[in-house]
Amino acid sequence: GENVEQHPSTLSVQEGDSAVIKCTYSDSASNYFPWYKQELGKRPQLIIDIRSNVGEKKDQRIAVTLNKTAKHFSLHITETQPEDSAVYFCAASMMYNFNKFYFGSGTKLNVKP
Amino acid sequence: SQTIHQWPATLVQPVGSPLSLECTVEGTSNPNLYWYRQAAGRGLQLLFYSVGIGQISSEVPQNLSASRPQDRQFILSSKKLLLSDSGFYLCAWSVLSASISGNTIYFGEGSWLTVV
Repeated sequence: GENVEQHPSTLSVQEGDSAVIKCTYSDSASNYFPWYKQELGKRPQLIIDIRSNVGEKKDQRIAVTLNKTAKHFSLHITETQPEDSAVYFCAASMMYNFNKFYFGSGTKLNVKP
Repeated sequence: SQTIHQWPATLVQPVGSPLSLECTVEGTSNPNLYWYRQAAGRGLQLLFYSVGIGQISSEVPQNLSASRPQDRQFILSSKKLLLSDSGFYLCAWSVLSASISGNTIYFGEGSWLTVV
């Protein structure tokens, strides 16, 4: 089955700096990669996603890049703000088949004001 | 639009007592349904998934079970809870769709279970 690894497990940045979270996956058949943000005590919420036919996608201060050859994808947050502090999860899935989502172990991001 | 409801939000149960968590999805048909567990400060562990009524697949052996009596209803149960069953339980759904928003997974509000 698919194995998704996520690094780092914790990340502390100064407000205004950039944050990068990286994930690798093992199954080359995976073709859909969503990212979720989970605030303390709440449900994970989708923040951005990317399909395997796209190398990069951007939405305001967040962007995701995908390297299919190397089987890794990354989340980039620019101009971080204290409200970005949360746990972020990456996931891998195969579209057009049953959607079995494999999640990374999470990254706790702390943005210091 | 689609919504997912999960209850109860919190519960404290003694060891050896039964458990029933319920989840319903509205605004979609034939969703894929999931139960995840999240231990404190940990990642998301897939417990069960279902592609249709009465069809349940288990990811990890445990003393929990799941049932899907209706298309949009998913229930997580246990006959006898263990201390290790404590955690944050999340119901989720997805649908197969050509649109990217239709392929992602959406989570319910979650249920905090403390076994004492």
